[in-house]
This record gives sequence, C-alpha cells and structure tokens, in this order.
Amino acid sequence: EPEVTQTPSHQVTQMGQEVILRCVPISNHLYFYWYRQILGQKVEFLVSFYNNEISEKSEIFDDQFSVERPDGSNFTLKIRSTKLEDSAMYFCASSSRRDIIMNTEAFFGQGTRLTVV
Amino acid sequence: GENVEQHPSTLSVQEGDSAVIKCTYSDSASNYFPWYKQELGKRPQLIIDIRSNVGEKKDQRIAVTLNKTAKHFSLHITETQPEDSAVYFCAASKGSGGYQKVTFGTGTKLQVIP
Repeated sequence: EPEVTQTPSHQVTQMGQEVILRCVPISNHLYFYWYRQILGQKVEFLVSFYNNEISEKSEIFDDQFSVERPDGSNFTLKIRSTKLEDSAMYFCASSSRRDIIMNTEAFFGQGTRLTVV
Repeated sequence: GENVEQHPSTLSVQEGDSAVIKCTYSDSASNYFPWYKQELGKRPQLIIDIRSNVGEKKDQRIAVTLNKTAKHFSLHITETQPEDSAVYFCAASKGSGGYQKVTFGTGTKLQVIP
C-alpha cells in the first residue's frame, strides 16, 4: 500500500538554526499538508499546498515557516530560525488521487520529531 | 474556523467493556468526520470515518454516529481489548474535490485494563 514517507525521523537542532523537514507524498496525490503536534497535545494544522502554491495556512504558520515542492516528489517544510517552542512532531499528509476528485481521506506520514535545544 | 471539542480526555475501561468518545464541531459546513488512533510516538492512523450524508457506520467492533443537527459525533468501541489502548482523535473536515484540511479534537487517552 502506498504511504507518505518523512525524513528524518528525528532532528535535533540548536535554537536559531534553520531546519528542513522532508516528505514524499503519495505519488498521484494532489493536496499536501503539514501538521504539528506538541508533545501531549492535539494535532494542529499548519499549511496546505496545491498546484504549487499555498492554499491555506494557520496562524501558527508565520514568516519563519515556508513550504516548497522542489521537484515532482518531495514536499518540504522549512523553519528559518528555530525557537524552543518549535519542538514538536511534524506530520506531513497528502490526499486525493488525480483520477478520483472526491472526498478521500488524508494519509499521514510517520512524522519527524523536531527537538530544538 | 472549525473548532472540535472532544470528551473525555481520559477513559479507563475493563477489558470487554464498551468505550464511548464524544465530539462536537462548530462549522455546519463540515462534511467528513474521520477518527484516528495514535499510539505513542506514531502517526495518526485512520480507523473509521463517516460522511455527513450518513448517520451511522459500523466496522466490526467500532461504530460511529453522527447527528448533524446537533453537530455531535461519537465513537463506540465494543468488547474492548488491551491493544485498543491508545489516544483517539476525532476530527472534522469540509473538504471538497479531495481537499482534506482536518481539524482535530483534543484527544482521548483510552486505557483498557486487562
């Protein structure tokens, strides 16, 4: 069964450093998302991406965050200058096959645990 | 935007008993309600979902109900087993054309006591 893959599984970075989290969505999906889950809390929407541009973003997704689809397969989340409060699990997700334009579930990757020290 | 409330935050049941988790949502335009099970340190896994044109759906020991008028939806797990222990999230989405921005509830930590 196809799945969303994320790398790395765990990233430790110093405060103020830039990090890039990588995701490979399911190959024929059209919509891509990033979510964040601070330890012990709920999963929160960050941003969605469609047709090479951001379609929606939350108030969490400020100027320190950016997303990119640099090639036909990868979808990245960049945090320019990490803060301690950015420590969380970041989940990538994708939805909707090209040949089925209808409500379908979003498939989640296994997550990247980001620790800012 | 959408707001999803979930209760209880923790739930302990004896093995074999039933567990019920309840959620409410605020946006009447939401039309898709997935439920996710998340084990410690892992991704949310879809266990069942229901669409707004359906009032109830069942899959083996798991059932979901939806009351659109009251904006309530619930997860029912019967004959609970220790492996059902996890955090469960309800969610709501008003996706169209395959867009699925999901708003999660606050989660319920279910503990099934053997």
